[in-house]
Amino acid sequence: ETGVTQSPTHLIKTRGQQVTLRCSSQSGHNTVSWYQQALGQGPQFIFQYYREEENGRGNFPPRFSGLQFPNYSSELNVNALELDDSALYLCASSLPSLHTSTDTQYFGPGTRLTVL
Amino acid sequence: KNEVEQSPQNLTAQEGEFITINCSYSVGISALHWLQQHPGGGIVSLFMLSSGKKKHGRLIATINIQEKHSSLHITASHPRDSAVYICAVRKGGSEKLVFGKGTKLTVNP
Repeated sequence: ETGVTQSPTHLIKTRGQQVTLRCSSQSGHNTVSWYQQALGQGPQFIFQYYREEENGRGNFPPRFSGLQFPNYSSELNVNALELDDSALYLCASSLPSLHTSTDTQYFGPGTRLTVL
Repeated sequence: KNEVEQSPQNLTAQEGEFITINCSYSVGISALHWLQQHPGGGIVSLFMLSSGKKKHGRLIATINIQEKHSSLHITASHPRDSAVYICAVRKGGSEKLVFGKGTKLTVNP
């Protein structure tokens, strides 16, 4: 158990709809990263939030957006869903030291999104 | 070509065997992570390395920065070690983790 929780665990949507996925960080962690993992692939970095500000973004279109709240919980929003958005969405929280290279990420169990 | 390559893609072993999973990367990094993912999706961080070697129980991870290569070793493998093992690197100066595709390990009793 990492202390990171995600909801919902599974979700089915249709093309064009919008979805919001939620992540609660491990206590005290002020950094959260979101990843998309397609079947049979490694995770792909979507973006990271640090103290409620976006702190890095991968190659995902603007319809992927996020929020981080004062309690450091986070949301991933995806608008205008496409079939290829079907994947496992993982969040990971961390508490980086002064040097980014020393942070350890704690992953949640993921939300499996299916777009029909 | 992917920035992080793992080999082998699939690995089947008998209980008790010594396992090695390899990871090569082509970019400058500030750290390398080894992760374990069980069926259902949950990911556990095993190691984070920036140099040398780390050991935790039956798991050993090594990294050679000059050769841009890391290995994960499992001694005395057990069926409960069956999982997908993923190598991920943090590119220098970036918050981004770049992941390999994973190595699926099956340990038979």
